[in-house]
Amino acid sequence: GENVEQHPSTLSVQEGDSAVIKCTYSDSASNYFPWYKQELGKRPQLIIDIRSNVGEKKDQRIAVTLNKTAKHFSLHITETQPEDSAVYFCAAAGRQAGTALIFGKGTTLSVSS
Amino acid sequence: DVKVTQSSRYLVKRTGEKVFLECVQDMDHENMFWYRQDPGLGLRLIYFSYDVKMKEKGDIPEGYSVSREKKERFSLILESASTNQTSMYLCASSVLAAQTYEQYFGPGTRLTVT
Repeated sequence: GENVEQHPSTLSVQEGDSAVIKCTYSDSASNYFPWYKQELGKRPQLIIDIRSNVGEKKDQRIAVTLNKTAKHFSLHITETQPEDSAVYFCAAAGRQAGTALIFGKGTTLSVSS
Repeated sequence: DVKVTQSSRYLVKRTGEKVFLECVQDMDHENMFWYRQDPGLGLRLIYFSYDVKMKEKGDIPEGYSVSREKKERFSLILESASTNQTSMYLCASSVLAAQTYEQYFGPGTRLTVT
């Protein structure tokens, strides 16, 4: 089945810096790659996603890139702010129709002001 | 707004007890999921369901079963709770549509088995 590896497990940056989180997946049939943000004590929420027919997607300060050949995708956060501090999870749709997501182990991002 | 609710935020059970975790969604979603979340291990899929009475095993189904008798409700059952099932359990739902995959999560149930 699908396996998703996520790095780094923790990331500390200064406010205003950029942050990059990387994920690799194993199943070449996967076609959907979301990123979820989980603030302390709260439920995970989708922040951005990308499908396999697109190489890059941007939404204000966040962007996701996908390299299907290498089977990896990355989350980029620019001009980080303290409210970006959270755990970020990448995921891949490992089964048909994208019904089930396989998640990475998460990255704890800390943004200090 | 999509609302996914779980029956308890905190639950304490004894080893060997049968435990029911309930999840209800109000957006007529076809898909429902159960994950457990442990520090350093991320979200691991236990079971999911894409229709009433349908279920599929995820990555860690051992020791768990599920029930989906109504579209809006998905139950996770621990037949005989063990201490290694102490964890945060998250339910999620999504629409079964080719272009929409977003999963909406419930608030979670923190289960402690003593």
